[in-house]
Amino acid sequence: DAGVIQSPRHEVTEMGQEVTLRCKPISGHDYLFWYRQTMMRGLELLIYFNNNVPIDDSGMPEDRFSAKMPNASFSTLKIQPSEPRDSAVYFCASSPGPWTDTNYGYTFGSGTRLTVV
Amino acid sequence: EDQVTQSPEALRLQEGESSSLNCSYTVSGLRGLFWYRQDPGKGPEFLFTLYSAGEEKEKERLKATLTKKESFLHITAPKPEDSATYLCAVKSITGGGNKLTFGTGTQLKVEL
Repeated sequence: DAGVIQSPRHEVTEMGQEVTLRCKPISGHDYLFWYRQTMMRGLELLIYFNNNVPIDDSGMPEDRFSAKMPNASFSTLKIQPSEPRDSAVYFCASSPGPWTDTNYGYTFGSGTRLTVV
Repeated sequence: EDQVTQSPEALRLQEGESSSLNCSYTVSGLRGLFWYRQDPGKGPEFLFTLYSAGEEKEKERLKATLTKKESFLHITAPKPEDSATYLCAVKSITGGGNKLTFGTGTQLKVEL
């Protein structure tokens, strides 16, 4: 398995532009998570899905952020309009379910480093 | 609200110099405490899950232990390849079911 695949790896955009981050979870994993990592705040959960349905979006910072999961193999995180304070590394992770926590936890992608100038 | 605090923020060891990393947590009903390793430019990589006080898990030079308020990651005779950021996270009954709350990590550097 190729693991969790995120694209792009790096994104540089101007303030005010729309940014779309993409994620392909591991096949068969029912849970998908979007995290943001910064030096100051560490890893913060933005939103997670179970079977393509958003379960908890309480970590989404503002209405400028939106996430979708149209099918089991694809999810997007969109920021519109982007601001410099959105600069961070965005990670996608997937999990079969809490019953596999003992041996697997979550599998993270390599992340997208977003820079808004 | 679940809270996780890790210390120290950074640690520098000589090869073979054993030490411990600390993770203090506050949750309402612990469902699991997780340790991850993160290398630069990569996503976190799962190491262990601990569920109850007194539980221990080992993997090569790493051993994780758990009490009711904290967890320790013991590193025995570390090697340079153990250099990474080690992250602690908790899953709680009131944490939304299946989400992890992370600490900010301990950056470990092992030198020859």
